[in-house]
Amino acid sequence: DQQVKQNSPSLSVQEGRISILNCDYTNSMFDYFLWYKKYPAEGPTFLISISSIKDKNEDGRFTVFLNKSAKHLSLHIVPSQPGDSAVYFCAASDIQGAQKLVFGQGTRLTINP
Amino acid sequence: DAGVTQSPTHLIKTRGQQVTLRCSPKSGHDTVSWYQQALGQGPQFIFQYYEEEERQRGNFPDRFSGHQFPNYSSELNVNALLLGDSALYLCASSLYDGVALTGELFFGEGSRLTVL
Repeated sequence: DQQVKQNSPSLSVQEGRISILNCDYTNSMFDYFLWYKKYPAEGPTFLISISSIKDKNEDGRFTVFLNKSAKHLSLHIVPSQPGDSAVYFCAASDIQGAQKLVFGQGTRLTINP
Repeated sequence: DAGVTQSPTHLIKTRGQQVTLRCSPKSGHDTVSWYQQALGQGPQFIFQYYEEEERQRGNFPDRFSGHQFPNYSSELNVNALLLGDSALYLCASSLYDGVALTGELFFGEGSRLTVL
């Protein structure tokens, strides 16, 4: 049972444009959501998070949107840069700080010059 | 400041064998979590150690066991290896304030296990 789903295995975006990565979840107990970025031969690194009491969180070029009624979140990157090319994982937890994270399958983002 | 370090980076075992993977947490962190990432999938939570005890466990069989040492480093042991155990094993560290984990997880580069 895949509780966190990233339905797009890959996404290709032109440099300077907006990248939108999507994530759906099924467990209504999830209360805290995170995005991780992974380069080849490296461990995932934390990018941005959002608590269920918010619907938007912004950090520089990265913005995460949460739609609780639709059980959907998205990560917007604008403007996209070549260094953003990586695999992006959406993750969820039922308690902030519990950090027993449930990850999606990942989306490979490629930024084209 | 050393981040999370894992060893070995790659290893090959045969079915039925046993394997031990090692992890040193980021400096200042006291909690270690282990995740299994199969090819094309996201990481899956195996278990978490704090104060040398297993605090949380994911849906993994008892063949998967672990240990945390007084210096906060940790080992993951897998017995009776199956072909399906082939995966990248990620260690992540964080800090526990007595109530909850604080800050985000820091991941190591992982140990790639191949079972033949």
